[in-house]
Amino acid sequence: EAGVTQFPSHSVIEKGQTVTLRCDPISGHDNLYWYRRVMGKEIKFLLHFVKESKQDESGMPNNRFLAERTGGTYSTLKVQPAELEDSGVYFCASSQDRSGYHEQFFGPGTRLTVL
Amino acid sequence: AQSVSQHNHHVILSEAASLELGCNYSYGGTVNLFWYVQYPGQHLQLLLKYFSGDPLVKGIKGFEAEFIKSKFSFNLRKPSVQWSDTAEYFCAVRTTSGTYKYIFGTGTRLKVLA
Repeated sequence: EAGVTQFPSHSVIEKGQTVTLRCDPISGHDNLYWYRRVMGKEIKFLLHFVKESKQDESGMPNNRFLAERTGGTYSTLKVQPAELEDSGVYFCASSQDRSGYHEQFFGPGTRLTVL
Repeated sequence: AQSVSQHNHHVILSEAASLELGCNYSYGGTVNLFWYVQYPGQHLQLLLKYFSGDPLVKGIKGFEAEFIKSKFSFNLRKPSVQWSDTAEYFCAVRTTSGTYKYIFGTGTRLKVLA
């Protein structure tokens, strides 16, 4: 079974540019989460999808961040325009459901550097 | 607000030494508890989890953790570490309602000297 995949693994952009990160969850997992780790700090929740619907966007930093999950499959996270403080590692995770004994499975992360 | 504290940011041990990584959380309700590990160049992997029942939980690779409700703690232990345990370790709490998002600690970088 393939795990959670993310693309690209690294991205270096200049301030003001746009970047789109992609996450492919484990097949059949309805729940998809985005997290971000700024250097030296904790991994922080950004948002949660159930299928194509956003369930919780409380962690999104501001309106420069836009997440979508077309057809309830893969998800994209767009940052437009990027700022220096957006640098960090963006993790995607998926789970079979939210409750019970199902943990979240994480992707390898996308390291974003904004210059 | 809910939070997770990992007291040790960097730990250096020799092989065969015992390991204990501290994790405390602040949340008054029912939680699920997790330890994840990220080996160099790899993704986050689940080491162990606690949902209910026996507060002493055994995970993969000889790791265990003990949930002490009165102390809001979930410390990770391993009696004898190996060089291959060099990694970053994350404690996480998940609420049992709402979105079930994880709240992570800042992580502990463990380096095991051969």
